[in-house]
Amino acid sequence: DADVTQTPRNRITKTGKRIMLECSQTKGHDRMYWYRQDPGLGLRLIYYSFDVKDINKGEISDGYSVSRQAQAKFSLSLESAIPNQTALYFCATSDGSTGEKLFFGSGTQLSVL
Amino acid sequence: GQSLEQPSEVTAVEGAIVQINCTYQTSGFYGLSWYQQHDGGAPTFLSYNALDGLEETGRFSSFLSRSDSYGYLLLQELQMKDSASYFCAGPPGGGNKLTFGTGTQLKVEL
Repeated sequence: DADVTQTPRNRITKTGKRIMLECSQTKGHDRMYWYRQDPGLGLRLIYYSFDVKDINKGEISDGYSVSRQAQAKFSLSLESAIPNQTALYFCATSDGSTGEKLFFGSGTQLSVL
Repeated sequence: GQSLEQPSEVTAVEGAIVQINCTYQTSGFYGLSWYQQHDGGAPTFLSYNALDGLEETGRFSSFLSRSDSYGYLLLQELQMKDSASYFCAGPPGGGNKLTFGTGTQLKVEL
């Protein structure tokens, strides 16, 4: 089984819909992250959490919200999806050691029509 | 803020050596990481340089010069399976949340 699991793997939705992307991990890491990847733009940080009671905005948090339900679970919500949120979304975890080595889930490809 | 710049694409032949550069602009920089991502896959960690100099892991090596705000990933004895995107990444000001470069797509040809 994967250490970092994202669901769903693919999602097609319509403009204005609220959707949730889920991430769970079995690595026992405190730190969890949501990144977005667009072609030519690399990975951009949306939100991150260093423990269950900690939520922090990344560089592109507008239009998104997150919930850290437990150490192992970190979900990303799009309150009202818009087409330019079409992207590949990755959840990642780390144990906060030097170098901040990240372990990524397999990604969720989201298409907003 | 922080930015990390990489060439968008590099092409090399199987068996050759290729160097992927990364230059960054940030204050309080704390080391440089490298990740590999195959098409459709998740990024995977390759290496981390906390200090200046060369770190070697098998066919891959990574170099950092903090005084020059520059690093590179060196891939030796290239194989077709090395065709992928490579990202440098760094934490700003010791905050320990990674910012990624825009990535370099490496194409390995026969």
